[in-house]
Amino acid sequence: QKEVEQNSGPLSVPEGAIASLNCTYSDRGSQSFFWYRQYSGKSPELIMFIYSNGDKEDGRFTAQLNKASQYVSLLIRDSQPSDSATYLCAVGDYKLSFGAGTTVTVRA
Amino acid sequence: DTGVSQDPRHKITKRGQNVTFRCDPISEHNRLYWYRQTLGQGPEFLTYFQNEAQLEKSRLLSDRFSAERPKGSFSTLEIQRTEQGDSAMYLCASSDGTSGRNTGELFFGEGSRLTVL
Repeated sequence: QKEVEQNSGPLSVPEGAIASLNCTYSDRGSQSFFWYRQYSGKSPELIMFIYSNGDKEDGRFTAQLNKASQYVSLLIRDSQPSDSATYLCAVGDYKLSFGAGTTVTVRA
Repeated sequence: DTGVSQDPRHKITKRGQNVTFRCDPISEHNRLYWYRQTLGQGPEFLTYFQNEAQLEKSRLLSDRFSAERPKGSFSTLEIQRTEQGDSAMYLCASSDGTSGRNTGELFFGEGSRLTVL
């Protein structure tokens, strides 16, 4: 079993819609959870982090964490073509374990 | 530019040759990481330094791989006797481990792409 698993893509959404990305993790002791965005040919960049159960909102992005279910999600509201990228879920404190990523395409 | 820089950006080599990659982290960051990423996969952890001390190495890191961070600043990753399976993007990242906050916020360099023929 992989440490971090993400829903398989690719995910195609129309402009203005909500993109929903899911992630599960195996280490029940994990405390820190991250979403990174990676444009094609570029390196990952952090867009959200969450440490506590519940929702965390930052602009058009909302991260949701449920430690009991070992589940993290990312919602992208009002999706824009510039959101087209691969989204990587990462878990860990000083050392991150990454999922394989979900590729999102926003159709204009 | 005060971001993470890596050199070279691209390296093509023949099987059996040695290659070395360099990473210059963000200057005030005491933690430095090497990851490897192949097409369609997320980054895989290879090794981690805090200052000059190499604190952890992945089982993925065979004896052919060695990393150093001699003065706690830049780091090198050397791969000896390269194999075709070593072809990947090698990503360096740094973070600030002194503040106790956001320790998982890694700042990645643009990577060094290795192709082994």
